[in-house]
Parts: sequence; C-alpha cells; structure tokens
Amino acid sequence: DAKTTQPPSMDCAEGRAANLPCNHSTISGNEYVYWYRQIHSQGPQYIIHGLKNNETNEMASLIITEDRKSSTLILPHATLRDTAVYYCIVRVSGYALNFGKGTSLLVTP
Amino acid sequence: DSGVTQTPKHLITATGQRVTLRCSPRSGDLSVYWYQQSLDQGLQFLIQYYNGEERAKGNILERFSAQQFPDLHSELNLSSLELGDSALYFCASSGRLPSNEQFFGPGTRLTVL
Repeated sequence: DAKTTQPPSMDCAEGRAANLPCNHSTISGNEYVYWYRQIHSQGPQYIIHGLKNNETNEMASLIITEDRKSSTLILPHATLRDTAVYYCIVRVSGYALNFGKGTSLLVTP
Repeated sequence: DSGVTQTPKHLITATGQRVTLRCSPRSGDLSVYWYQQSLDQGLQFLIQYYNGEERAKGNILERFSAQQFPDLHSELNLSSLELGDSALYFCASSGRLPSNEQFFGPGTRLTVL
C-alpha cells in the first residue's frame, strides 16, 4: 500500500480552519484516501474519504491534488473537541487500514 | 455512535488466562476487522473476516484466534495471556460499497496482571 507522510503535530486556534496535509506520492489508481481521527483512547472515528474528486461532508472537506500525490483535510471551524490524532490512510477498498503515527492536532482557545 | 458495539468495555485478568472479546458490527455490514492498540505499538491490524470467512491476517499472534458467526457478530479469543497483551482492542465493520469505509467500536480495554 502507498506510504503516507503527515506532520507529527499542528496547532490551530479555535474557530479557525484547520488544514491537515498528507503526502502519498506512491498512491495507485485504485487506492482511496481515508481520514480518521482518534480522540484519546476512543475508537477511531471515520471522517471522510475520496478517490479522485474533492469531497465534503458535515465534518470536513477533503482536497485531493489532481495528480493524487497529496491531499488536505480541512476542518472549517475547529473547536476544542477537534483536538485529536488525525490519520491519513491510503488503501484499496475492502482491506484493513494501516495506521501510521498521524498528526496530533491541538486546538487552542 | 458508530453502530458497532463491543463487550466488555473493560477486562482485568491474570497471566496465563483466556478471554473472549465480542463485537457486533453495524447492521448489514459483512466485514469485521480487529485491531490492537498498545502504548508502544500504535494501532495494528490483527485479522479480518468477511461473511463468516477469514479474509486477511495481520500481526496476530498464534495464541489469538477469532471467528465470525452466522449472525455476523465476531469474537476474538486471547489465550495464555501475557503482560504485553494489555492493550485496547478495537473492532471495526464495513460494508458500504465501493469505498468500504470502516466504522469502529468503542473498544475493549484489556489489563493483564
């Protein structure tokens, strides 16, 4: 599976947009980009996924570059409850997820 | 609420013992995955079942086994427990085509004393 690279940590002020980058330069054509987050020892929470197009749901937006080698997860108005570890995972549909170290996002008041 | 349930929430046992963790997937989901999260290893995939059949294995020890029943719930059996097996165990299910995003349960925290 494609390897992903994420910054280990990021800060964001409450109410501002949080933009979390992910590099996946070896992604294959049939691999999806999935984003999950984990809030301190809770079960990982699915956020959003995409294949080629940008996607938006009630939680976030996912921007995938045209060459699919990188993506950005956008939390439009971060709140303190968005403090979590965010994982970018590239995987063929139907297979297990390979969680790396993710990005630890701290939202500050 | 993801729709995936896991029991028990907490489990404390002694070395050498055997325990069973249970997972009920979201309604209609055919795939169940088990993951282990320990402090030093992060989230690691153990095993996947699809409609009752084992589909993929990850870093699962021989002392561990799992099965998925006809009603699609799954059980993870851990035997000859060691201190190092203390961890959070998560179950996830998927079934929404074509992307098969996984939804995770709240986990079972296992403590081996």
